[in-house]
Amino acid sequence: DAGVIQSPRHEVTEMGQEVTLRCKPISGHNSLFWYRQTMMRGLELLIYFNNNVPIDDSGMPEDRFSAKMPNASFSTLKIQPSEPRDSAVYFCASSFSAGGGETQYFGPGTRLLVL
Amino acid sequence: DAKTTQPNSMESNEEEPVHLPCNHSTISGTDYIHWYRQLPSQGPEYVIHGLTSNVNNRMASLAIAEDRKSSTLILHRATLRDAAVYYCILRVHNNDMRFGAGTRLTVKP
Repeated sequence: DAGVIQSPRHEVTEMGQEVTLRCKPISGHNSLFWYRQTMMRGLELLIYFNNNVPIDDSGMPEDRFSAKMPNASFSTLKIQPSEPRDSAVYFCASSFSAGGGETQYFGPGTRLLVL
Repeated sequence: DAKTTQPNSMESNEEEPVHLPCNHSTISGTDYIHWYRQLPSQGPEYVIHGLTSNVNNRMASLAIAEDRKSSTLILHRATLRDAAVYYCILRVHNNDMRFGAGTRLTVKP
């Protein structure tokens, strides 16, 4: 298996622009997670989906952030408009949920820089 | 949410065992104890997890205190490739996983 695939790996954009991060989970997994990592705040869970349905989005910073999972093999995290404080590494992870304690598999991350 | 406490950093010599402690005094009966690690410039990766009994796998061992208020991740022979940030995490909900600051492990040759 190729593991969790994220694209792009690096993104540099200017303040105010729309940014879309993409994730392909491991085939057969039914849960997908978006995390953000910064030096100041560490790793934060933004949102997670189970069977393509958002379960908990309490970690989403504000309305500028949105996430979708149109099917079991694809998810996007969109920031519109982007701001310099959104600069971070964004990780996507997936797991097969069967009742608790499941291992999450992380992608390599997207390093975002907003100028 | 149940929280964990880990030392900010630890050092080890190559080829020696490493014991990484984690305190979780407010753990509930259904919380699993998970350990993940993050190598430089990579996403976190699973190391091991347990509920009540000690666990072993090819990467490490997990020793869980009888009262479950603390646990220790044991790397039997540290290598330079084990240098990473190690996270001890309690699974509060089925899928919810909250990372703390972790322990940065430095391995000296």
